[in-house]
Amino acid sequence: GAVVSQHPSRVICKSGTSVKIECRSLDFQATTMFWYRQFPKQSLMLMATSNEGSKATYEQGVEKDKFLINHASLTLSTLTVTSAHPEDSSFYICSASDRLYEQYFGPGTRLTVT
Amino acid sequence: KQEVTQIPAALSVPEGENLVLNCSFTDSAIYNLQWFRQDPGKGLTSLLLIQSSQREQTSGRLNASLDKSSGRSTLYIAASQPGDSATYLCAVKGGQNFVFGPGTRLSVLP
Repeated sequence: GAVVSQHPSRVICKSGTSVKIECRSLDFQATTMFWYRQFPKQSLMLMATSNEGSKATYEQGVEKDKFLINHASLTLSTLTVTSAHPEDSSFYICSASDRLYEQYFGPGTRLTVT
Repeated sequence: KQEVTQIPAALSVPEGENLVLNCSFTDSAIYNLQWFRQDPGKGLTSLLLIQSSQREQTSGRLNASLDKSSGRSTLYIAASQPGDSATYLCAVKGGQNFVFGPGTRLSVLP
């Protein structure tokens, strides 16, 4: 089956620094990738949708200058959390959609900002 | 705007019981509905995917039904086991992306 990987799986960074999370589709071309955020004991909330080679579409309330999304190729999307603060600590999950619109989820990245 | 709710929020049962988890959604114009399992601190594991034209899907001890017109889906787990303990999320797809419910936290006691 289709596999989506995320790197790193866990990251701890200091307040004010930036951190990049990678999402890769390993055995298929992802026309669209999605980034979700999950706070403790809450469900997944969509942050943004990105199509290869174009700007990401952000959900209402998500700061596009803080959460930079790049979808440079059909197998890679990156989420950069800029000037991270403790309130950005969360579980970030990406998913990738193939040409048949099936969606496959990555294992998630736990971000802790100290 | 699509909204997804799940009942109950949490459930604790003894091993061996059959149980039903409920999912409701407000907009019946969906492409599909998917049930996921999430273990603490982990990503999502897809359990069952029901297309909008289907009424149910089965995999092993799991059976999911979909009543699109009434905006409901149920996940039936037969003969529950301690290894089934996890959070179960339902998600509906109306456009490109999924809208997730808040989940049901299941504990199966040995």
